[in-house]
Amino acid sequence: NAGVTQTPKFQVLKTGQSMTLQCAQDMNHEYMSWYRQDPGMGLRLIHYSVGAGITDQGEVPNGYNVSRSTTEDFPLRLLSAAPSQTSVYFCASRGTVLLHEQYFGPGTRLTVT
Amino acid sequence: AQSVTQLDSQVPVFEEAPVELRCNYSSSVSVYLFWYVQYPNQGLQLLLKYLSGSTLVESINGFEAEFNKSQTSFHLRKPSVHISDTAEYFCAVSALMSNQFYFGTGTSLTVIP
Repeated sequence: NAGVTQTPKFQVLKTGQSMTLQCAQDMNHEYMSWYRQDPGMGLRLIHYSVGAGITDQGEVPNGYNVSRSTTEDFPLRLLSAAPSQTSVYFCASRGTVLLHEQYFGPGTRLTVT
Repeated sequence: AQSVTQLDSQVPVFEEAPVELRCNYSSSVSVYLFWYVQYPNQGLQLLLKYLSGSTLVESINGFEAEFNKSQTSFHLRKPSVHISDTAEYFCAVSALMSNQFYFGTGTSLTVIP
């Protein structure tokens, strides 16, 4: 049982490039979410999903897309990277909306130059 | 919506001394409250949570937090800290039946030998 896994661990992009951050969980959790962590700002919710085929926006969704084709995977796409998207990105999952314990992945550190 | 305020961004404390990390929240509805810990270069781990019942909740490593509804607080305490407690601590809130968590900006606890 690997829990929540994220790839890559580190990534450097040039402004305007696109990429996908991968997130997978093997706990059969319904709920998955993406956060970004910035110094002095804590974690902010980007997008979340309550099940396969269902996604919704969080607090800071602009510049990011998500999809949830399977229960296990929840990729985050940066369409056209900007320096303001330099951050550490965390994926998290939890069983259902009634189970509030979130399990976090190890994070992806993204730098946009 | 809900919000969380962590009043101290950095807390240095000597080993074996007591510590309190402060957290206040704002919400017009009933909430669940959480403390997460993040060790360097790792994801967040749930430290303890308040869902209902006793207002004093404890973790397995000696931390405790008390839910105070009248003061809208959920301060984290430990009577005697260890070097290994050095980490970033995040307070979080989620409304009942909500899909969203709101995190504070974090408190960096540094234990000094």
